[in-house]
Amino acid sequence: GQQLNQSPQSMFIQEGEDVSMNCTSSSIFNTWLWYKQDPGEGPVLLIALYKAGELTSNGRLTAQFGITRKDSFLNISASIPSDVGIYFCAGPPLQNTGTASKLTFGTGTRLQVTL
Amino acid sequence: DTEVTQTPKHLVMGMTNKKSLKCEQHMGHRAMYWYKQKAKKPPELMFVYSYEKLSINESVPSRFSPECPNSSLLNLHLHALQPEDSALYLCASSQGLGGGSQRQETQYFGPGTRLLVL
Repeated sequence: GQQLNQSPQSMFIQEGEDVSMNCTSSSIFNTWLWYKQDPGEGPVLLIALYKAGELTSNGRLTAQFGITRKDSFLNISASIPSDVGIYFCAGPPLQNTGTASKLTFGTGTRLQVTL
Repeated sequence: DTEVTQTPKHLVMGMTNKKSLKCEQHMGHRAMYWYKQKAKKPPELMFVYSYEKLSINESVPSRFSPECPNSSLLNLHLHALQPEDSALYLCASSQGLGGGSQRQETQYFGPGTRLLVL
């Protein structure tokens, strides 16, 4: 089935630095979702992308839906300690049928911010 | 409001116990999901309910039994679990397909129940 590869797998950055991570697929997606998960908590939706080429911001976060529909990027500007966590990309496979959708998740990017 | 609630937050149970996890959403969503997540891994889908009917069972062992009493509630009944079932159990909801909108596939997650099976 479809798989989503995220990179980098983990990263250590200093507070104030900008962060970039990406998600790639061997297949086309029509929707890209970016979630952040804190330890022991559920994933929180950060940004949802629904159109190829779309660029969407949410505060210090900016995400882009790749024009090929096979990738997406998430950027965090001026990182702060609370940005620590695991970031997952996800998307519903094109072959979703019926009235409920399955999500394919990326492998996750673990972000750690040092002061 | 994009809130999904789950209870309990933490649960410790023995292998002979019977317990239930509860999930609730008031967003009018018609699809609800149970996921299992192990540390440092992405969530793994277990069950999907669509319009209160079970639509997907990802070959989950019968010791996990889902129930959807109404469109806002989702339960997961646990019986005779094994230590390897210890994990974070997540509930999610989405509007549900059928209206032609991709936004209906966007899933919102609850905070999870941390389960430890002894």
